[in-house]
Amino acid sequence: AQSVTQLDSHVSVSEGTPVLLRCNYSSSYSPSLFWYVQHPNKGLQLLLKYTSAATLVKGINGFEAEFKKSETSFHLTKPSAHMSDAAEYFCVVTYNNDMRFGAGTRLTVKP
Amino acid sequence: KAGVTQTPRYLIKTRGQQVTLSCSPISGHRSVSWYQQTPGQGLQFLFEYFSETQRNKGNFPGRFSGRQFSNSRSEMNVSTLELGDSALYLCASSVLRQASYNEQFFGPGTRLTVL
Repeated sequence: AQSVTQLDSHVSVSEGTPVLLRCNYSSSYSPSLFWYVQHPNKGLQLLLKYTSAATLVKGINGFEAEFKKSETSFHLTKPSAHMSDAAEYFCVVTYNNDMRFGAGTRLTVKP
Repeated sequence: KAGVTQTPRYLIKTRGQQVTLSCSPISGHRSVSWYQQTPGQGLQFLFEYFSETQRNKGNFPGRFSGRQFSNSRSEMNVSTLELGDSALYLCASSVLRQASYNEQFFGPGTRLTVL
């Protein structure tokens, strides 16, 4: 069985400051990991994915994530937050058709 | 290329009624998955259909069912609605199975309110 834990339910940053959204996973195998973003009243959109290639993954809108097997982590970062980044972010772990979502982290960006 | 579409976007029903939600995947996508999203339980997987067959199922009661047509469009049905079924129902499509490497493309969801 596998699981994913998003360590913060809510993160608040000021515009222009760095963003860090934390995700830890548990899996007996070598899973694939995704980050999705959900803006209000919208569906989920893929930000980036890790599928056993490079451990540092670059996604859309300046986001990136680093896969650290020793720490079983896949934290999402962005150097400088923008107001449009305010949304809910989901970390997802998948292996062999078993897909598990984290509880989500709500990102607030203050002007 | 058109995205995943879901109809209706909003729905209000009363307890005991049944409801059918529709999802049209991206052209060429053969896998359709359904999810329930609530503030308390978060995102939960309902089921996946691929080539008109249910391939994977989450931990939901039998009141929740679905089907997929030959054109990959999918419907999900909830019978004997309960208050707790109020949620945002999301549909996602992908080219292949809901497998490790396949990105899923999500629709905007259907907001179901049960009174």
